[in-house]
Amino acid sequence: KNEVEQSPQNLTAQEGEFITINCSYSVGISALHWLQQHPGGGIVSLFMLSSGKKKHGRLIATINIQEKHSSLHITASHPRDSAVYICAVRNFGNEKLTFGTGTRLTIIP
Amino acid sequence: DTGVSQNPRHKITKRGQNVTFRCDPISEHNRLYWYRQTLGQGPEFLTYFQNEAQLEKSRLLSDRFSAERPKGSFSTLEIQRTEQGDSAMYLCASSLRTGYNEQFFGPGTRLTVL
Repeated sequence: KNEVEQSPQNLTAQEGEFITINCSYSVGISALHWLQQHPGGGIVSLFMLSSGKKKHGRLIATINIQEKHSSLHITASHPRDSAVYICAVRNFGNEKLTFGTGTRLTIIP
Repeated sequence: DTGVSQNPRHKITKRGQNVTFRCDPISEHNRLYWYRQTLGQGPEFLTYFQNEAQLEKSRLLSDRFSAERPKGSFSTLEIQRTEQGDSAMYLCASSLRTGYNEQFFGPGTRLTVL
């Protein structure tokens, strides 16, 4: 079973700050997802990656397969980025996702 | 809006009652997943379908839970004899069976068992 850990659990920052959220997992994976969940529950997929780095707007996701670690960065953070960010992994030969417990991000104006 | 819809969005029921949730995936997606999320936790896998075949079930899915996808399109999740511990957000996701296999999530159904 893959253990997925995220840090920090909670993060409060001022608008404009550079944000980093970390995710580590215990067993080799075929893919890692970064998801965003707003109050009310809906989940939006931000990235799916299996190697390297992806960028979308102010969001950057990186993954280091050897170290079993991924980071999600937000540049020029904005209050609308306030949400729970969840890391989820898919093991080889398995369709289901295993999720971390999430990082609650609050950006203060 | 990801294209995955779930109904109802909220359900309040009394302990012991049966409830049924529906998920409509993105139309061309042949894989459909159910997850459960309790307060303050990440989602946990319940079950998944490829077309109408239920291919995997979690041990979390007790015999009070049943999921179906009769025509390989929409899916239903039924909970019989609900318990307070069943209170959670029930999330549905769908994907297309390709190498990429990104899952798209619905808005969830929040169940409260009184």
